[in-house]
Amino acid sequence: NAGVTQTPKFRVLKTGQSMTLLCAQDMNHEYMYWYRQDPGMGLRLIHYSVGEGTTAKGEVPDGYNVSRLKKQNFLLGLESAAPSQTSVYFCASKRDRVSRDYGYTFGSGTRLTVV
Amino acid sequence: KQEVTQIPAALSVPEGENLVLNCSFTDSAIYNLQWFRQDPGKGLTSLLLIQSSQREQTSGRLNASLDKSSGRSTLYIAASQPGDSATYLCAYNTNAGKSTFGDGTTLTVKP
Repeated sequence: NAGVTQTPKFRVLKTGQSMTLLCAQDMNHEYMYWYRQDPGMGLRLIHYSVGEGTTAKGEVPDGYNVSRLKKQNFLLGLESAAPSQTSVYFCASKRDRVSRDYGYTFGSGTRLTVV
Repeated sequence: KQEVTQIPAALSVPEGENLVLNCSFTDSAIYNLQWFRQDPGKGLTSLLLIQSSQREQTSGRLNASLDKSSGRSTLYIAASQPGDSATYLCAYNTNAGKSTFGDGTTLTVKP
């Protein structure tokens, strides 16, 4: 199993440009998440999805949009990139809400720089 | 608002030493707690998951404990090796499905 796959791995954007980050999981997990990781601030939840066709806001949703048209894919969009969105973005999935016997599975990350 | 604290932020030990990493949390509605390893430029790899009803979990040279009453979890690494060098993060999950991650402890094991 590939687990959680993120594309692209690296990207440099100019301020105001748009882009979409793709996350794909092959474990049939219901829950999917987008986090950003910044030095000194830990992992912060951007948006998440509890199943196909659903999305919900996390801790820092402003400036981002998401879609979950298929169960295995969770897309993160930046409509107008800002330097404050320079970060490492991680996608994660869980089998269900509290996953008594399973925790998170993370992707390898996307390093985004906005200049 | 920091709800998870990992101390120390960085730790350097000689190879072969046993060590303990600490994770403190404030939310009493913990459902489970997960320890991760993160290598530079990589994602998070799950190491151990402890349910709130458990006291500890073991995997190889790793042992994680959980004390709900004091709001603490520890990750014990026995006979450390240079390959253990990485950042170790803890995350707790509440009954409501909320997760909070610590900033991690960066471990360096010197040959």
